[in-house]
Amino acid sequence: SAVISQKPSRDICQRGTSLTIQCQVDSQVTMMFWYRQQPGQSLTLIATANQGSEATYESGFVIDKFPISRPNLTFSTLTVSNMSPEDSSIYLCSVGWGGVSDEQFFGPGTRLTVL
Amino acid sequence: AQSVTQLDSQVPVFEEAPVELRCNYSSSVSVYLFWYVQYPNQGLQLLLKYLSGSTLVKGINGFEAEFNKSQTSFHLRKPSVHISDTAEYFCAVSGISGYALNFGKGTSLLVTP
Repeated sequence: SAVISQKPSRDICQRGTSLTIQCQVDSQVTMMFWYRQQPGQSLTLIATANQGSEATYESGFVIDKFPISRPNLTFSTLTVSNMSPEDSSIYLCSVGWGGVSDEQFFGPGTRLTVL
Repeated sequence: AQSVTQLDSQVPVFEEAPVELRCNYSSSVSVYLFWYVQYPNQGLQLLLKYLSGSTLVKGINGFEAEFNKSQTSFHLRKPSVHISDTAEYFCAVSGISGYALNFGKGTSLLVTP
């Protein structure tokens, strides 16, 4: 298992600004994932972040809007750039050890409101 | 691609009553199926998963789910719920060759005395 923390837990931001969300894991993990949960919607995978390589983005998400860093095996950041009210969501990171059928462990999420 | 439909957005139930949370999936390939639970202000926690083999899967906290390939369903059940089961429940699917989890919109289970 893994214990995952995210910072900040919530934030209110002005449009046009950027916010960086941190995800810290208490053990080394192979794979880290970033999800978005818009109000009343499903969780949607934004990207997969593997240490030592560029993040892999899902359709509809681009690096310029959601740059991701993965400097080591226990930490990752997601930046939401040039925010608009449509970016208001809960952002969650999750981790896994590489097996396709493996459980993903989720952080508590960051609740972002853009005014 | 795979997708999931959770048929009920909210399910109110009395304590000690049985409950079923419905999940249907769509996929053109073999899938893995998962149920996650999210308690207030906490991260998602895996309840159970179906990978292969027996279609009846038992998970934590007395929950179980049955994989029905012909009906493309993976309904979650518990014979007797507790107040502490009040939470958001998410069904998710992935292809057996990919890591991406596709989630349903969630079902809010509210257990009252």
